[in-house]
Amino acid sequence: NAGVTQTPKFQVLKTGQSMTLQCAQDMNHEYMSWYRQDPGMGLRLIHYSVGAGITDQGEVPNGYNVSRSTTEDFPLRLLSAAPSQTSVYFCASSWDTYGYTFGSGTRLTVV
Amino acid sequence: AQSVTQLGSHVSVSEGALVLLRCNYSSSVPPYLFWYVQYPNQGLQLLLKYTSAATLVKGINGFEAEFKKSETSFHLTKPSAHMSDAAEYFCAVSRGYSTLTFGKGTMLLVSP
Repeated sequence: NAGVTQTPKFQVLKTGQSMTLQCAQDMNHEYMSWYRQDPGMGLRLIHYSVGAGITDQGEVPNGYNVSRSTTEDFPLRLLSAAPSQTSVYFCASSWDTYGYTFGSGTRLTVV
Repeated sequence: AQSVTQLGSHVSVSEGALVLLRCNYSSSVPPYLFWYVQYPNQGLQLLLKYTSAATLVKGINGFEAEFKKSETSFHLTKPSAHMSDAAEYFCAVSRGYSTLTFGKGTMLLVSP
């Protein structure tokens, strides 16, 4: 049972490049979400999904796009990377309001 | 809207001393509350959670937290700090749709 798998673990992008951060879970959880972690800011919600085909914005959605075509996968897309998107990104899944599983994170640097 | 305030971005204690990390929340509904720990360059590990059962919650590694509705607090304590407790600690509250609102974190420094 792998839990929540995030790929890649590390990535360096040039300003303006696009990329997709992958998140997959094998627990059949309905709910999935993306957070970014910045020093002194804690973790902030980017986007979330309550089921396949349903997504919504969190606190800091600008510059990011998501889709949820299957229960298992919830990719996060950066359409045109900016240095302000340098951060550590965490994906999480849950089956209710009080049971969360986090991935190990993706450390992204935009130069 | 739910929010979390962690008092003190850094807390320093000596090994063997009491650890107290403060968390206050605001929530329009009965909250679910969590404490997570993050060791350097690692992911998040759940320490404990409050889900409206017992108000005193025991977690891993000797940590516990007490839910006090009248004070809207959920402070994390450990009777005796160990060097291995040095890490960043995050308090979080469930915000609905199975997402979390996190505090800004408290870095715990443990000196010999």
